[in-house]
Amino acid sequence: GNSVTQMEGPVTLSEEAFLTINCTYTATGYPSLFWYVQYPGEGLQLLLKATKADDKGSNKGFEATYRKETTSFHLEKGSVQVSDSAVYFCAQYSSASKIIFGSGTRLSIRP
Amino acid sequence: GAGVSQSPSNKVTEKGKDVELRCDPISGHTALYWYRQSLGQGLEFLIYFQGNSAPDKSGLPSDRFSAERTGGSVSTLTIQRTQQEDSAVYLCASSYREGDNEQFFGPGTRLTVL
Repeated sequence: GNSVTQMEGPVTLSEEAFLTINCTYTATGYPSLFWYVQYPGEGLQLLLKATKADDKGSNKGFEATYRKETTSFHLEKGSVQVSDSAVYFCAQYSSASKIIFGSGTRLSIRP
Repeated sequence: GAGVSQSPSNKVTEKGKDVELRCDPISGHTALYWYRQSLGQGLEFLIYFQGNSAPDKSGLPSDRFSAERTGGSVSTLTIQRTQQEDSAVYLCASSYREGDNEQFFGPGTRLTVL
Protein backbone atom coordinates (compact mmCIF):
# COMPACT_ATOMS: atom_id res chain seq x y z
CA GLY A 1 0.00 0.00 0.00
CA ASN A 2 0.91 3.67 -0.10
CA SER A 3 3.36 4.84 2.53
CA VAL A 4 5.78 7.60 3.45
CA THR A 5 9.15 7.10 5.09
CA GLN A 6 11.13 9.99 6.47
CA MET A 7 14.35 10.54 8.28
CA GLU A 8 14.15 9.81 11.97
CA GLY A 9 14.94 12.56 14.38
CA PRO A 10 15.66 14.39 16.39
CA VAL A 11 17.85 16.58 14.22
CA THR A 12 19.84 19.28 15.97
CA LEU A 13 21.64 21.99 14.00
CA SER A 14 23.28 25.32 14.65
CA GLU A 15 21.72 28.49 13.31
CA GLU A 16 22.59 29.18 9.64
CA ALA A 17 23.39 25.52 8.97
CA PHE A 18 22.11 23.72 5.87
CA LEU A 19 19.15 21.44 6.44
CA THR A 20 18.08 18.29 4.64
CA ILE A 21 15.28 16.02 5.85
CA ASN A 22 14.94 12.95 3.66
CA CYS A 23 11.58 11.61 2.57
CA THR A 24 10.65 8.76 0.24
CA TYR A 25 7.27 7.41 -0.69
CA THR A 26 5.63 4.34 -2.17
CA ALA A 27 2.49 4.77 -4.23
CA THR A 28 0.63 3.64 -7.28
CA GLY A 29 0.73 6.52 -9.71
CA TYR A 30 1.94 9.99 -8.87
CA PRO A 31 0.28 11.42 -5.77
CA SER A 32 0.57 15.01 -4.62
CA LEU A 33 3.31 15.37 -2.00
CA PHE A 34 3.46 17.68 0.98
CA TRP A 35 5.56 18.88 3.86
CA TYR A 36 3.60 19.87 6.95
CA VAL A 37 5.10 21.63 9.97
CA GLN A 38 3.98 21.62 13.58
CA TYR A 39 5.48 24.42 15.69
CA PRO A 40 5.52 23.96 19.47
CA GLY A 41 2.04 24.34 20.89
CA GLU A 42 0.46 24.90 17.48
CA GLY A 43 -1.55 22.91 14.97
CA LEU A 44 -0.36 21.26 11.79
CA GLN A 45 0.30 23.70 8.93
CA LEU A 46 1.00 23.07 5.29
CA LEU A 47 4.56 24.21 4.56
CA LEU A 48 4.81 23.38 0.85
CA LYS A 49 3.50 21.00 -1.76
CA ALA A 50 4.17 19.62 -5.23
CA THR A 51 1.46 18.08 -7.36
CA LYS A 52 3.43 16.46 -10.18
CA ALA A 53 6.83 15.06 -11.04
CA ASP A 54 9.70 17.59 -11.21
CA ASP A 55 7.61 20.27 -9.49
CA LYS A 56 9.42 22.21 -6.79
CA GLY A 57 7.47 23.40 -3.79
CA SER A 58 8.87 26.31 -1.81
CA ASN A 59 7.91 28.47 1.15
CA LYS A 60 9.72 30.40 3.91
CA GLY A 61 13.11 29.48 2.40
CA PHE A 62 12.30 25.76 2.38
CA GLU A 63 12.26 23.78 -0.85
CA ALA A 64 11.43 20.24 -1.94
CA THR A 65 11.48 18.73 -5.43
CA TYR A 66 9.20 15.88 -6.52
CA ARG A 67 11.54 13.21 -7.91
CA LYS A 68 9.65 10.30 -9.46
CA GLU A 69 12.86 8.46 -10.42
CA THR A 70 13.90 8.14 -6.81
CA THR A 71 10.36 8.44 -5.33
CA SER A 72 11.66 11.18 -3.06
CA PHE A 73 10.62 14.59 -1.78
CA HIS A 74 13.51 15.75 0.41
CA LEU A 75 13.09 18.99 2.35
CA GLU A 76 15.96 21.50 2.22
CA LYS A 77 16.77 24.92 3.57
CA GLY A 78 20.01 26.77 3.00
CA SER A 79 20.25 28.58 6.34
CA VAL A 80 18.07 27.57 9.26
CA GLN A 81 16.91 29.86 12.04
CA VAL A 82 15.95 29.18 15.64
CA SER A 83 12.34 29.87 14.65
CA ASP A 84 12.44 26.82 12.33
CA SER A 85 12.49 24.52 15.36
CA ALA A 86 9.43 22.30 14.92
CA VAL A 87 8.30 18.84 13.88
CA TYR A 88 8.20 18.29 10.11
CA PHE A 89 5.96 15.72 8.44
CA CYS A 90 6.30 14.47 4.90
CA ALA A 91 3.01 13.29 3.43
CA GLN A 92 1.24 12.14 0.30
CA TYR A 93 -2.32 12.56 -0.82
CA SER A 94 -4.10 9.28 -1.29
CA SER A 95 -6.70 8.83 -4.00
CA ALA A 96 -8.98 7.76 -1.16
CA SER A 97 -9.16 11.42 -0.05
CA LYS A 98 -6.91 10.97 2.94
CA ILE A 99 -3.37 12.12 3.65
CA ILE A 100 -0.76 9.54 4.53
CA PHE A 101 1.89 10.96 6.81
CA GLY A 102 5.45 10.00 7.64
CA SER A 103 6.40 9.57 11.26
CA GLY A 104 7.68 13.13 11.67
CA THR A 105 11.13 14.59 12.25
CA ARG A 106 11.78 16.85 15.22
CA LEU A 107 14.16 19.69 14.32
CA SER A 108 15.93 21.78 16.96
CA ILE A 109 18.06 24.78 16.03
CA ARG A 110 20.69 26.07 18.46
CA PRO A 111 21.40 29.81 18.51
CA GLY B 1 -14.83 31.08 10.76
CA ALA B 2 -11.23 31.89 10.00
CA GLY B 3 -9.96 28.37 10.49
CA VAL B 4 -10.87 24.91 11.71
CA SER B 5 -11.76 24.93 15.38
CA GLN B 6 -11.91 22.03 17.79
CA SER B 7 -13.19 21.64 21.31
CA PRO B 8 -12.26 20.93 23.95
CA SER B 9 -8.56 21.64 23.55
CA ASN B 10 -7.78 19.22 26.38
CA LYS B 11 -9.84 16.41 27.84
CA VAL B 12 -8.90 14.17 30.74
CA THR B 13 -11.20 11.25 31.41
CA GLU B 14 -11.27 8.03 33.34
CA LYS B 15 -11.01 4.65 31.68
CA GLY B 16 -14.42 3.35 30.70
CA LYS B 17 -16.08 6.74 30.28
CA ASP B 18 -17.43 8.04 26.96
CA VAL B 19 -16.07 11.23 25.38
CA GLU B 20 -17.21 13.51 22.58
CA LEU B 21 -14.84 15.64 20.54
CA ARG B 22 -16.11 18.44 18.36
CA CYS B 23 -14.85 19.90 15.09
CA ASP B 24 -16.08 23.03 13.35
CA PRO B 25 -14.67 23.20 9.80
CA ILE B 26 -13.91 26.24 7.72
CA SER B 27 -17.12 27.77 6.46
CA GLY B 28 -17.97 26.47 2.99
CA HIS B 29 -15.74 23.41 3.20
CA THR B 30 -17.73 20.32 2.32
CA ALA B 31 -15.15 17.66 3.20
CA LEU B 32 -14.10 16.97 6.79
CA TYR B 33 -11.46 14.57 8.09
CA TRP B 34 -10.44 13.13 11.46
CA TYR B 35 -6.90 12.00 12.23
CA ARG B 36 -5.19 10.79 15.40
CA GLN B 37 -1.67 11.66 16.47
CA SER B 38 -0.19 9.36 19.07
CA LEU B 39 3.24 8.35 20.28
CA GLY B 40 4.42 5.31 18.43
CA GLN B 41 1.72 5.49 15.77
CA GLY B 42 2.37 8.88 14.25
CA LEU B 43 -0.50 10.52 12.38
CA GLU B 44 -3.28 8.12 11.40
CA PHE B 45 -6.35 8.72 9.29
CA LEU B 46 -9.60 7.82 11.05
CA ILE B 47 -12.59 8.87 8.92
CA TYR B 48 -13.73 11.45 6.43
CA PHE B 49 -17.05 13.03 5.50
CA GLN B 50 -18.27 14.44 2.26
CA GLY B 51 -21.29 16.43 3.30
CA ASN B 52 -23.02 14.37 5.97
CA SER B 53 -22.00 10.97 4.65
CA ALA B 54 -18.86 9.05 5.50
CA PRO B 55 -17.59 7.14 2.45
CA ASP B 56 -14.45 5.95 4.24
CA LYS B 57 -14.53 4.73 7.83
CA SER B 58 -11.59 2.41 7.32
CA GLY B 59 -9.34 4.10 9.82
CA LEU B 60 -11.58 3.81 12.86
CA PRO B 61 -9.61 1.55 15.22
CA SER B 62 -12.57 -0.23 16.81
CA ASP B 63 -16.35 -0.18 17.10
CA ARG B 64 -15.98 2.01 20.18
CA PHE B 65 -15.22 4.87 17.80
CA SER B 66 -17.96 6.60 15.83
CA ALA B 67 -18.42 9.96 14.17
CA GLU B 68 -21.25 11.94 12.76
CA ARG B 69 -21.72 15.15 10.89
CA THR B 70 -24.95 17.05 10.69
CA GLY B 71 -25.95 19.94 8.49
CA GLY B 72 -22.79 19.48 6.46
CA SER B 73 -20.86 21.42 9.07
CA VAL B 74 -19.95 20.46 12.64
CA SER B 75 -18.72 16.93 13.30
CA THR B 76 -18.53 14.96 16.52
CA LEU B 77 -16.14 12.08 17.15
CA THR B 78 -17.37 9.84 19.96
CA ILE B 79 -15.24 7.31 21.80
CA GLN B 80 -17.16 4.92 24.02
CA ARG B 81 -15.72 3.07 26.99
CA THR B 82 -12.37 4.82 26.63
CA GLN B 83 -9.15 2.87 27.10
CA GLN B 84 -5.70 4.16 27.96
CA GLU B 85 -4.49 3.42 24.45
CA ASP B 86 -7.01 5.98 23.18
CA SER B 87 -4.86 8.75 24.67
CA ALA B 88 -3.71 10.89 21.75
CA VAL B 89 -4.22 14.20 20.01
CA TYR B 90 -7.25 14.07 17.75
CA LEU B 91 -6.95 16.34 14.74
CA CYS B 92 -9.70 17.53 12.46
CA ALA B 93 -9.17 18.93 8.98
CA SER B 94 -11.39 20.28 6.25
CA SER B 95 -11.11 20.93 2.54
CA TYR B 96 -13.26 22.79 0.05
CA ARG B 97 -14.44 19.56 -1.50
CA GLU B 98 -13.68 15.87 -1.61
CA GLY B 99 -10.63 15.21 -3.71
CA ASP B 100 -9.20 18.65 -3.01
CA ASN B 101 -5.74 17.70 -1.89
CA GLU B 102 -5.13 20.67 0.40
CA GLN B 103 -6.54 20.02 3.85
CA PHE B 104 -6.56 22.64 6.61
CA PHE B 105 -6.01 21.36 10.13
CA GLY B 106 -7.43 22.43 13.46
CA PRO B 107 -5.36 22.74 16.65
CA GLY B 108 -6.44 19.34 17.92
CA THR B 109 -7.94 17.92 21.09
CA ARG B 110 -5.51 16.29 23.49
CA LEU B 111 -7.25 13.32 25.10
CA THR B 112 -5.79 11.70 28.20
CA VAL B 113 -7.39 8.54 29.54
CA LEU B 114 -6.36 7.75 33.10
